[in-house]
Amino acid sequence: KAGVTQTPRYLIKTRGQQVTLSCSPISGHRSVSWYQQTPGQGLQFLFEYFSETQRNKGNFPGRFSGRQFSNSRSEMNVSTLELGDSALYLCASSLKPGTTQYFGPGTRLLVL
Amino acid sequence: DQQVKQNSPSLSVQEGRISILNCDYTNSMFDYFLWYKKYPAEGPTFLISISSIKDKNEDGRFTVFLNKSAKHLSLHIVPSQPGDSAVYFCAATTINFQGAQKLVFGQGTRLTINP
Repeated sequence: KAGVTQTPRYLIKTRGQQVTLSCSPISGHRSVSWYQQTPGQGLQFLFEYFSETQRNKGNFPGRFSGRQFSNSRSEMNVSTLELGDSALYLCASSLKPGTTQYFGPGTRLLVL
Repeated sequence: DQQVKQNSPSLSVQEGRISILNCDYTNSMFDYFLWYKKYPAEGPTFLISISSIKDKNEDGRFTVFLNKSAKHLSLHIVPSQPGDSAVYFCAATTINFQGAQKLVFGQGTRLTINP
């Protein structure tokens, strides 16, 4: 069974731009969560989606948003990029909320 | 406010010996705990988990112990192998009223297994 896939794997943007990252969960998994990893803050939860609805949200500004499609694929968007948004963005999928999460390889975003 | 702490940023163990990774938490509402392993340029890989109603869970070479009164959990790897060299993250979670969870991670411990 294929694992969680994320595209693109690497991305370079400049301040003020916006970016959209994509995540395809493991087949049959319906819950998708997003995390940000930085050297200073570690791994931090962004949000979780299930049945196209955001079920849980971390402490990030409104510039960070996401959505989930009917096929469980998810996208996250960051608007008005700041230098501090440079990070590894990880997507994790699970069968449903409350079950074990399996991570993708991540998208490394660099904001210049 | 770091709710999950891994106080050892690194640990070095000889091949064949036991590796013990520690994790402390502050939020007594956490009801599920997990360990993930992470190699560079890859996402975290799930290793083992434990519910707050248990105090031990074993899976092959990996055993997780939970001490709720001390708000402490540990991961034991026996015997340690060179392929175990990676960064290990402890994570804790609660389930909200919608059944959704968010993982709260520790800062990670870099484990190096020496031949």
